[in-house]
Amino acid sequence: GNSVTQMEGPVTLSEEAFLTINCTYTATGYPSLFWYVQYPGEGLQLLLKATKADDKGSNKGFEATYRKETTSFHLEKGSVQVSDSAVYFCALRSGNTPLVFGKGTRLSVIA
Amino acid sequence: DADVTQTPRNRITKTGKRIMLECSQTKGHDRMYWYRQDPGLGLRLIYYSFDVKDINKGEISDGYSVSRQAQAKFSLSLESAIPNQTALYFCATRDRTDTQYFGPGTRLTVL
Repeated sequence: GNSVTQMEGPVTLSEEAFLTINCTYTATGYPSLFWYVQYPGEGLQLLLKATKADDKGSNKGFEATYRKETTSFHLEKGSVQVSDSAVYFCALRSGNTPLVFGKGTRLSVIA
Repeated sequence: DADVTQTPRNRITKTGKRIMLECSQTKGHDRMYWYRQDPGLGLRLIYYSFDVKDINKGEISDGYSVSRQAQAKFSLSLESAIPNQTALYFCATRDRTDTQYFGPGTRLTVL
């Protein structure tokens, strides 16, 4: 079945540090890949997505590239801010099946 | 106004009580979902609906039931609440670009 594995947190970084959150997946067919973000006290919201191999999703300075050869969709940001502190979820959807989420990675950015 | 609303936002109840969580959306989306979030487990799908007449079980439907009263409304019921159903519950919709929109969540505590 479809599954997503993402690095466990929590991750604590200083402001302006480089961020990588690893995500790998197992899926049948050709999944679409997503990163959702959950800010404290809120529901999840879409951060970025990619629908086919080699696509790069980007938003708010975050990027992730759909790598079919390594079945990965790692999230990166060159310079994090305190306001990026949140929980980040990698997810996939294949065919007409519902989204499958990873367990989430909590990021804390300190000034 | 929020596009996806959930009521109540917080609820404390006792073991054995029947509880209903309500979700309404103004986005006009056919697809709606109920998830629960537990620390360290990410989001797990309880039920989903592709339209008013199409209801499907998710990964963890035991102990829950749903009702899709209209395109805009999707309710989740716990017929006889138990303590391990203590969690944060999210409703979501999905649009045709494959983006999901989450409500703010309902924090349920079962004593």
